[in-house]
Amino acid sequence: QSALTQPPSASGSLGQSVTITCTGTNSDIGRYNYVSWYQQDPGKAPRLMIHDVTQRPSGVPDRFSGSKSGNTASLTVSGLQAEDEADYYCSSFAGSNSVIFGGGTKLTVL
Amino acid sequence: EVQMLESGGGLVQPGGSLRLSCAASGFTFTNYAMGWVRQAPGRGLEWVSTIRDTGGATYYADSVKGRFTISRDNSKNTLYLQMNSLRADDTAVYYCATVKGLVDPFEYWGQGTLVTVSS
Repeated sequence: QSALTQPPSASGSLGQSVTITCTGTNSDIGRYNYVSWYQQDPGKAPRLMIHDVTQRPSGVPDRFSGSKSGNTASLTVSGLQAEDEADYYCSSFAGSNSVIFGGGTKLTVL
Repeated sequence: EVQMLESGGGLVQPGGSLRLSCAASGFTFTNYAMGWVRQAPGRGLEWVSTIRDTGGATYYADSVKGRFTISRDNSKNTLYLQMNSLRADDTAVYYCATVKGLVDPFEYWGQGTLVTVSS
């Protein structure tokens, strides 16, 4: 199964908003509301930021929000801060007892 | 505090075997399924395998099916990944992570252990 499709890079200025997309198929994102987003700093383990498309775990700033439309999920970071600069990965349950990740997006805060 | 500590990584020749361990603490191990996710150098994340809380069911990515075996010892709060017939494209940092079920997110992650497959 191919990875979910993410743009390799995204950028935004301090205080602005940026949206990262994650495109799958009607066998994964389009079929299930089990999309998650992870933040990863260089050399560190990933951190869960969003699950079940829109849900934020405790401790994640409300500047982070998730959504989905059809086969595409999105992560929006509002009020960008310097510490938001990181790699972001989406994932989805893909049926047949499998999980699939996106290729990752490097977010740069200008 | 939830902690997972992976060990067992290292350099192995193609065709060789390695067993990774993940020692968990700070949470009720038997309440969680557990999984392995890997990341090749400079690449993205890839799901490898998940095991249910009792160990009664296991799931694998097609890329490792038949070569890797996930298991757990609930008496020792430890997760394992037995890796056989290793190939160069198995080279990656391997993370263990908690997950409530197959459809659920990976909530807590270890720091990872590097596996390098090379002659």
